[in-house]
Amino acid sequence: LAKTTQPISMDSYEGQEVNITCSHNNIATNDYITWYQQFPSQGPRFIIQGYKTKVTNEVASLFIPADRKSSTLSLPRVSLSDTAVYYCLVYAGFKTIFGAGTRLFVKA
Amino acid sequence: GAVVSQHPSRVICKSGTSVKIECRSLDFQATTMFWYRQFPKQSLMLMATSNEGSKATYEQGVEKDKFLINHASLTLSTLTVTSAHPEDSSFYICSARGQANTGELFFGEGSRLTVL
Repeated sequence: LAKTTQPISMDSYEGQEVNITCSHNNIATNDYITWYQQFPSQGPRFIIQGYKTKVTNEVASLFIPADRKSSTLSLPRVSLSDTAVYYCLVYAGFKTIFGAGTRLFVKA
Repeated sequence: GAVVSQHPSRVICKSGTSVKIECRSLDFQATTMFWYRQFPKQSLMLMATSNEGSKATYEQGVEKDKFLINHASLTLSTLTVTSAHPEDSSFYICSARGQANTGELFFGEGSRLTVL
């Protein structure tokens, strides 16, 4: 199963761009990379998914280099409400195992 | 996007009783659902994979007789915590895999269990 590694925590200020990088060295050919956001006492919420290169939606961008051994979630202009835990998941065949996640704290 | 609903969102029970948590996919059929447990400030821990019409597959260290999973239809999976004890107090979350084979998961709102 592909294992993911992310920074444990990050701090930022409102209005800044935040980039969270996840490493997944043993990602398989057919695996997709998906990022989720979780607020306290809520289930994770889908942010973005990609396979390679760059994906952008209304809330974030996802950058995946050619070797796909890492990915970077980019949140363009964070606000206080973006304070949450962010998880990078790699679709490992059938099961989906969560890593530790990154706790982002946005300050005013 | 697809919606997964859990019920109840909060439950308090006495030690020794059993509690059932429901997970429903509201607008799609889910042949596979997953159950997770999450302790404070920790990540989600996969407990079991629930397959419609067959026995659930449990992760190592998860007692199948204590955490009974039933996936009787394509839209409903249930987790029953039997003979609950205070150490079973946790946040339980279910998810269902979407139709596309891209691994996207849709999560329920979670159920907080407190065992007194």
